Amino acid sequence: SQKIEQNSEALNIQEGKTATLTCNYTNYSPAYLQWYRQDPGRGPVFLLLIRENEKEKRKERLKVTFDTTLKQSLFHITASQPADSATYLCALDNEGNTPLVFGKGTRLSVIA
Amino acid sequence: GAGVSQTPSNKVTEKGKYVELRCDPISGHTALYWYRQSLGQGPEFLIYFQGTGAADDSGLPNDRFFAVRPEGSVSTLKIQRTERGDSAVYLCASSPHQGAREQYFGPGTRLTVT
Repeated sequence: SQKIEQNSEALNIQEGKTATLTCNYTNYSPAYLQWYRQDPGRGPVFLLLIRENEKEKRKERLKVTFDTTLKQSLFHITASQPADSATYLCALDNEGNTPLVFGKGTRLSVIA
Repeated sequence: GAGVSQTPSNKVTEKGKYVELRCDPISGHTALYWYRQSLGQGPEFLIYFQGTGAADDSGLPNDRFFAVRPEGSVSTLKIQRTERGDSAVYLCASSPHQGAREQYFGPGTRLTVT
C-alpha cells in the first residue's frame, strides 16, 4: 500500500542553524510534491511545490529537493528563526485531480 | 483578500446526532476539498468537488458522511448518526482551477462527539 513518512515527529534546533526535514514515500510515483506549514489551531498553509523533473526549488530561506530514485524530499530552512516554529507537512500530488496524500508532519521548534 | 472560512469553529454534539459543517471557499475557486485531521496526523482526504459535482468521494469513510456544493461555491459536509470516532478537525480547502496544484485551507471545524 502507499505510504508516506516524515521521519521525525519533532525536531529542535538552535536559532540561526539550518533545519532539514525529511519526507520518504513508498509504492507511489507522484508527479509533484508539496510542502505546507501548519500552526496550532490553524489550517495548513502552502509553501512550495516541486515537480518530479525538478531536483531543487528555492523560495527565500526555503529549499526543497526531490529525488524520485530515492523516493525522498528534503525541506531546508536556512538561518532559522523562532517564528519558523510550526508543524511542516509534506504531501504527495499526482497528475490530474487525485487528492493530496499528506504525511503526519514534523513539529519544528527553533530555540532562541 | 478573504481566505477560506469555515463555520462553526467548534462543534460539540452527542453521539447519534446529525451535524452540518460549512465551508466558504475563496471567491472564484472552482475546486473544493474536504479533509479530516486527527491529533498528530496529517489531513486525510474525504471528498473533492469541481464546480457543483463531487469529482472524487473515495475518502468518505461510510455512508453516514455526505457533502454538497449546490451552487459551486459554499459546501456543506453532513454527518449522520455521529460516533465518537468522528471526533476530529474537519478542514476545507479550495484551489483556483482544475490545473492548479496548491490548495488554500480554512481554519477547520473542531468536531467533538460525546
